[in-house]
Amino acid sequence: KQEVTQIPAALSVPEGENLVLNCSFTDSAIYNLQWFRQDPGKGLTSLLLIQSSQREQTSGRLNASLDKSSGRSTLYIAASQPGDSATYLCAPYTGTASKLTFGTGTRLQVTL
Amino acid sequence: DAGVIQSPRHEVTEMGQEVTLRCKPISGHDYLFWYRQTMMRGLELLIYFNNNVPIDDSGMPEDRFSAKMPNASFSTLKIQPSEPRDSAVYFCATGLPGAGELFFGEGSRLTVL
Repeated sequence: KQEVTQIPAALSVPEGENLVLNCSFTDSAIYNLQWFRQDPGKGLTSLLLIQSSQREQTSGRLNASLDKSSGRSTLYIAASQPGDSATYLCAPYTGTASKLTFGTGTRLQVTL
Repeated sequence: DAGVIQSPRHEVTEMGQEVTLRCKPISGHDYLFWYRQTMMRGLELLIYFNNNVPIDDSGMPEDRFSAKMPNASFSTLKIQPSEPRDSAVYFCATGLPGAGELFFGEGSRLTVL
């Protein structure tokens, strides 16, 4: 069974800082991995999809990396802004519709 | 399209009562997923449908939980009887997870007293 761990569980940084969120997973036989954002009281929104053959994927100030063999992914957020405050979840996908396993997330707060 | 629509957004009920959560998915998506989110266990898949047919319900915790999808535009998740440990946020989602296309509703927050 896929186990997904996200560290840290919570993070508070001042505006403008660059930061890294970590995700580790136990089953490295993944097809891809997604990063999601969840605002309080809302559903999840997909941020980035990184395929197993890729090392990195970028969208604006977000950059996701994937080291499939070691079971790790990181989400790098550049020049953080208060609007980035949310919970970020990673979800590796192992090939069937049900096999999207979510981590418990990192709750990020960006302060002014 | 207005996205995935869930109702009610909030439900407070007493132990033993029946609870029905509703989902209107995005049209044109063949897959529909029901998830449950708690602080202790995170986001867990309960059941998913493909073309209105339940495919995998191994995440449904007990027989008290049931889900239906009578047509492509409507699904329900029912808990009968409800218990305090069922308190959670229940999400409906549609799309193709493997393609990076998974669209969530805003969730139904259930509190069972």
